[in-house]
Amino acid sequence: QSVLTQPPSASGTPGQRVTISCSGSSSNIGRNTVSWYQQLPGTAPKLLISNTNQRPSGVPDRFSGSKSGTSASLAISGLQSEDEADYYCAAWDDSLTGQCVFGTGTKVTVL
Amino acid sequence: EVQLVESGGGLVQPGGSLRLSCAASGFTFSSYWMSWVRQAPGKGLEWVAHIGQDGSEIYYVDSAKGRFTISRDNAKNSLYLQMDSLRAEDTAVYYCARGRTTFDPWGQGALVTVSS
Repeated sequence: QSVLTQPPSASGTPGQRVTISCSGSSSNIGRNTVSWYQQLPGTAPKLLISNTNQRPSGVPDRFSGSKSGTSASLAISGLQSEDEADYYCAAWDDSLTGQCVFGTGTKVTVL
Repeated sequence: EVQLVESGGGLVQPGGSLRLSCAASGFTFSSYWMSWVRQAPGKGLEWVAHIGQDGSEIYYVDSAKGRFTISRDNAKNSLYLQMDSLRAEDTAVYYCARGRTTFDPWGQGALVTVSS
């Protein structure tokens, strides 16, 4: 039951900046923090951004997160070939008792 | 090293049952919420269930309510997902993950296939 909407795809050439949006509502992104995950082909997801804009140790500073109202964004600056992956946002949803929701996912292609 | 390792996946007939396990190591298991997240073939991530540190708080996605049971054994550093009345649409890779709304780390996943 994805209630967070992401564009299916995004692309860029090496070195470019790519931004992925995550659109929600007042019950999820509007009042809770957002996390972002990177899933490389054939692997388990990996935490990329926590608490809307915090990078865990080891995540390059090319990745950044932000939020405005009921939408969040993940930006990848200085795009690299190894960034080609699926990206998902997630947030707690207050309208769904005790439930977390994921975004629909965005496939990033490095041209 | 913080690590989560799932086991128990496999092929099961519709209406059947399966129990997944997740062995945790490298951190104080009893201090963390734990979750199950699944991914159907070629599809996105779906949160399934999570359980509080002492097991007293449990929540499920609507499609799992009444069929799946999440549990934990803090003495064994283990998380479980008992899945009953399985349906074809439950076919997915099931990941265990540390956390409730921020999931880190994730296990490698266990494939559950529901088919006759």
